Amino acid sequence: EDQVTQSPEALRLQEGESSSLNCSYTVSGLRGLFWYRQDPGKGPEFLFTLYSAGEEKEKERLKATLTKKESFLHITAPKPEDSATYLCAVQTDSWGKLQFGAGTQVVVTP
Amino acid sequence: DTGVSQDPRHKITKRGQNVTFRCDPISEHNRLYWYRQTLGQGPEFLTYFQNEAQLEKSRLLSDRFSAERPKGSFSTLEIQRTEQGDSAMYLCASSLASGGKEQFFGPGTRLTVL
Repeated sequence: EDQVTQSPEALRLQEGESSSLNCSYTVSGLRGLFWYRQDPGKGPEFLFTLYSAGEEKEKERLKATLTKKESFLHITAPKPEDSATYLCAVQTDSWGKLQFGAGTQVVVTP
Repeated sequence: DTGVSQDPRHKITKRGQNVTFRCDPISEHNRLYWYRQTLGQGPEFLTYFQNEAQLEKSRLLSDRFSAERPKGSFSTLEIQRTEQGDSAMYLCASSLASGGKEQFFGPGTRLTVL
């Protein structure tokens, strides 16, 4: 059975304190790994898609990387506005169905 | 802004009542997905459509749930005889069938069953 596990469950950072979030997966055939950001009471907001091991993508203070077993979301010098829940999801079929992890709740304090 | 929209944003109902939610996808997207999210969890897949065809339904979707996408445009999700366990955020997403296949989510409908 496919599994997606995110760690840690919660992360509290000081502004400027860089850190990484982990998404480990066990799937039969990975077609894509997706990162989303979700603010309270809102729908997930798309951040990145990664397709193959070794791939990296960046957007502002965020950088996502992918290996054969896990993905990392690096947050460099975070600001309070980076506070959110970060979700990763895997896509394993051609129709696009996503299987999500439970998310990592990030709080950045000034 | 022509993102995914959902209506209503909030719904409070009594146990046993029927409710219907609407999703309007991004206009050129031919794939539409429904997910359900409970507190502290990631979204869970419910069902999806390519154009007007419903291609898969999750085992989470009991016989009380039905979804439609007439003419491949907007979609509705109906829950009959609601139960307290149905309380959740119902999310709709849409994507293109080709290309990156990124799914773009709407704001969700928060359902509370009393």
